[in-house]
Amino acid sequence: DVKVTQSSRYLVKRTGEKVFLECVQDMDHENMFWYRQDPGLGLRLIYFSYDVKMKEKGDIPEGYSVSREKKERFSLILESASTNQTSMYLCASGQGAPNEQYFGPGTRLTVT
Amino acid sequence: KNEVEQSPQNLTAQEGEFITINCSYSVGISALHWLQQHPGGGIVSLFMLSSGKKKHGRLIATINIQEKHSSLHITASHPRDSAVYICALGGSNYKLTFGKGTLLTVNP
Repeated sequence: DVKVTQSSRYLVKRTGEKVFLECVQDMDHENMFWYRQDPGLGLRLIYFSYDVKMKEKGDIPEGYSVSREKKERFSLILESASTNQTSMYLCASGQGAPNEQYFGPGTRLTVT
Repeated sequence: KNEVEQSPQNLTAQEGEFITINCSYSVGISALHWLQQHPGGGIVSLFMLSSGKKKHGRLIATINIQEKHSSLHITASHPRDSAVYICALGGSNYKLTFGKGTLLTVNP
């Protein structure tokens, strides 16, 4: 079974803090994704990576950056957290295109 | 207009009922995905299909490429089927375009 894990299920941070969300997959997938999920808006793509050190902006990249130094690990960074970044963050991995994506359990981030 | 529309947004059913969730889209696709998300839980891929019909247990997914429409059916529904069901479009690149989801509640 594919396993995608995320570093935290719940996280509370203060405005202005730097926040790291980490995602690890164990299936040697080339593609990894970061989404945020908000009520009424559904899932929106923040960034994705199709190879180590390669990344592309998704639909809502503002305020976020990413890092992929190893194939299995994809990190989402909030340089200076703001209250409007309070959300559920989901990581996914997949192979090829079109690809079935495998999701992690999500991190519910609250910025106060 | 959104590229993908799901209906209904909310659906309440009694245990044992036959359930249908619809997904209509307006763009060309390579594949359509149906995903399931239980409350507080992660997202699980149910089906990926590009034509015809797929069945897994009590779940059936169909797609009509010409009409740009897909349906997810649940037979003999059970309270454990209560979840959000999400339709997602797959194109020729790596990205998915997601519908807003259908919240299904199955009462015992």
